[in-house]
Amino acid sequence: GQSLEQPSEVTAVEGAIVQINCTYQTSGFYGLSWYQQHDGGAPTFLSYNALDGLEETGRFSSFLSRSDSYGYLLLQELQMKDSASYFCAAPGYSTLTFGKGTMLLVSP
Amino acid sequence: EAQVTQNPRYLITVTGKKLTVTCSQNMNHEYMSWYRQDPGLGLRQIYYSMNVEVTDKGDVPEGYKVSRKEKRNFPLILESPSPNQTSLYFCASSYDQGSTEAFFGQGTRLTVV
Repeated sequence: GQSLEQPSEVTAVEGAIVQINCTYQTSGFYGLSWYQQHDGGAPTFLSYNALDGLEETGRFSSFLSRSDSYGYLLLQELQMKDSASYFCAAPGYSTLTFGKGTMLLVSP
Repeated sequence: EAQVTQNPRYLITVTGKKLTVTCSQNMNHEYMSWYRQDPGLGLRQIYYSMNVEVTDKGDVPEGYKVSRKEKRNFPLILESPSPNQTSLYFCASSYDQGSTEAFFGQGTRLTVV
């Protein structure tokens, strides 16, 4: 099976940088995905890391270290609209397992 | 527009009354799945399907049934709903079981009284 751990809540101010961590324990690991969810709406895909290192997509970046079983999502130049829940997820052979989610609160 | 469509968006029902939540995708995806989301528990997989007529249990399948008679549709059936099935439900699809990106429906908020 797979389990992913992430903090339940993170707070930051507009314009700042925030990092959301995810540690995982898996029986078979293919890579790490990140999803964003606003107020109970549909989760939307942000990024995927199959290899170690940093992947950058605009203001968002995602990092993976397979040797440490650890990854993070980095959000830069925070905006109020970034207030949402963020989930790390690990695709398996036939399933997609999610962490419990991190609620990001961005204040003015 | 590529999308996953769930219906209904909101449903209040009584214990024991059978219900079906429909899910349809227009992306010709092979892989579809159902999740329930509860506060503090994140998204937990109920059932998944790797192709037509191929379905399997996820992490929390008790009390649910699914079917995959057509590629585009993957309904979730609650034969005898109970209050502990009150939850927010999401259908998702992806190109195949190895895909790294899943596309989610808008969710169905179910209340069983």
